[in-house]
Amino acid sequence: DTVLTQSPALAVSPGERVSISCRASEGVNSYMHWYQQKPGQQPKLLIYKASNLASGVPARFSGSGSGTDFTLTIDPVEADDTATYFCQQSWNDPYTFGAGTKLELK
Amino acid sequence: EVQLVESGGGLVQPGRSMKLSCAASGFTFSNYGMAWVRQAPTKGLEWVATISYDGSSTYYRDSVKGRFTISRDNAKSTLYLQMNSLRSEDTATYYCTTPIPTGYFDYWGQGVMVTVSS
Repeated sequence: DTVLTQSPALAVSPGERVSISCRASEGVNSYMHWYQQKPGQQPKLLIYKASNLASGVPARFSGSGSGTDFTLTIDPVEADDTATYFCQQSWNDPYTFGAGTKLELK
Repeated sequence: EVQLVESGGGLVQPGRSMKLSCAASGFTFSNYGMAWVRQAPTKGLEWVATISYDGSSTYYRDSVKGRFTISRDNAKSTLYLQMNSLRSEDTATYYCTTPIPTGYFDYWGQGVMVTVSS
């Protein structure tokens, strides 16, 4: 299975820019997607196919990358962005998710 | 507004069975494939199974093949997951979700907890 590696946690101050990385163990073309999950809630789609903003998602969120290295950027970060962020690939079967990056606000 | 409402979870003993349901509304259910994704406590997400719009094709992760069955009733706009021979490692919150052909999951239900324990 394709393993997606994310850093476990980040802490930033409101107003700053943050980049969350996701590295795939093998190429996934541009088929990388990002989700936000707040405590006690279901995941919410943020970015699909590496760089496409999902409907209703603020333009503060953006995605980039291809192949094996991908980045989710939030600029500027707001207090409401406290959550865990997951990447997911759909190029190789089975579809797999990263373990998540917990974003905390200072 | 798209709504996905799961039900049927709870506590079950190892080796026993449980059936989850997901009632869908706000979209034409019979036009879309559906999927189950699970999340073990304090863990990441894991795709479980997918079914095509008409139920003719189903796909499973290896660890549940032969034990879980995904199905649907388009007349009732309802998705199901029949889980047999449950194991402790199946303990998780199970989410009903809408997979898009390019492979991402668009809408998610609120999830239903399944605990496998004696």
